[in-house]
Order: sequence, then structure tokens, then C-alpha cells
Amino acid sequence: GESVGLHLPTLSVQEGDNSIINCAYSNSASDYFIWYKQESGKGPQFIIDIRSNMDKRQGQRVTVLLNKTVKHLSLQIAATQPGDSAVYFCAENIRDTGRRALTFGSGTRLQVQP
Amino acid sequence: ETGVTQTPRHLVMGMTNKKSLKCEQHLGHNAMYWYKQSAKKPLELMFVYNFKEQTENNSVPSRFSPECPNSSHLFLHLHTLQPEDSALYLCASSQEGDPSYNEQFFGPGTRLTVL
Repeated sequence: GESVGLHLPTLSVQEGDNSIINCAYSNSASDYFIWYKQESGKGPQFIIDIRSNMDKRQGQRVTVLLNKTVKHLSLQIAATQPGDSAVYFCAENIRDTGRRALTFGSGTRLQVQP
Repeated sequence: ETGVTQTPRHLVMGMTNKKSLKCEQHLGHNAMYWYKQSAKKPLELMFVYNFKEQTENNSVPSRFSPECPNSSHLFLHLHTLQPEDSALYLCASSQEGDPSYNEQFFGPGTRLTVL
């Protein structure tokens, strides 16, 4: 399931450190954002989402920050674990258009060193 | 498991073959999607079905033909494909019409190789 061959930016962190994965989006009308995790051999898995009326949302060990001024989204993973190694995608949607599908970024590969 | 299954998981076919990919969702959702994930591009939307009606066709070549017989099943019929169609084909589902923003649930994908 990984984007083999795609030149993905790679973030390498030590186990136990915090990770920050960034995503820039281009459509200022986007009002809903999701972070997905894709492990090798699997489809993308939902991690956390955020609406445009928020600038921060926390989950279990993950936090998403949204800066609409500069159209930037970040995913913070606390105490990164080997199981967090995967490709991470941000996705956006403009709900008011009625369009249901998501527009995905190209992804970032996270490698956790033991 | 996400509640979305896809078969087969791997498929190798020649350019003159006809094959079909199958997706089934066990989540009671009313919208289903086909995405293509290739080696050189991000995830690309192909088709959207909402209540069995196709609501989006993202300029996909006619050699890909979707079918949605009911809200739980989605097929992608393949005919006369090209080697550049080799990719991971992902199916997803979601519940539309809910006032909340609901995420899409993805299947594991079918890894397609066209020779």
C-alpha cells in the first residue's frame, strides 16, 4: 500500500521523540482536513480530522494544528513509536460544494529509529 | 480492519484481458469511491457513488468502467488497460448526509500490474 517509487519527503526520528509532519494546502475554500496513515500493504487509515472553524484538535498522542492564514496543516505525534513508521497524508475537502471526495497531498514518510 | 474489503489483493493482467475489481463495505455507508495510487502521483480520485448513483467521474478513461449495484458493493471493470495503469486501486466508503464531517474508510487496495 505504500507509494513505492514516489519521491516522498522523509522524516526520520528517534523512538520516544516527538514528530511533526507538515502539509501545505492550496485551496483557501477548503473547510475540512484529515490526516491519514498508510502502512505498507494497507490502505490509508484515518488518524484525526479538523474543521476550519478550529485551529487545534487533540487525539490520543496526536495533535493537528491548522493555520488558515498560511494554509498550513501539521500533525504532531508525541513519543513516537516504531509502529508509527508509515506514510502520512493530509487530505482536504470543501464541504459546501457538495463534493464528497477528498484531495490528497503527496505524503511524508515517517521512519522511527529504535 | 476498516470494514471495507477488496478482492483480489493482487492482480496481473495483459493489455487485452478483461478483469474486475470488487469492493464491499460492511459499515452501512451510502457513498463509495475508487481511488488510484500510482508510483509517481498522490492518491487520485476516480469515481464517486452516492446512493448507488455516480456523482463524480474524474476524467477517467473509458477502459475503466465502474458499477455500483447497491450501496454495499462497488466494482471496477477493467478492459484493454495500458502498462501505465499499473497501480494500487483503493476503495473507500463514507456516510454522506450526516451533518457531521465523516471521514472515508479505505480498503486495503488491489495491487494491479498490467503487462
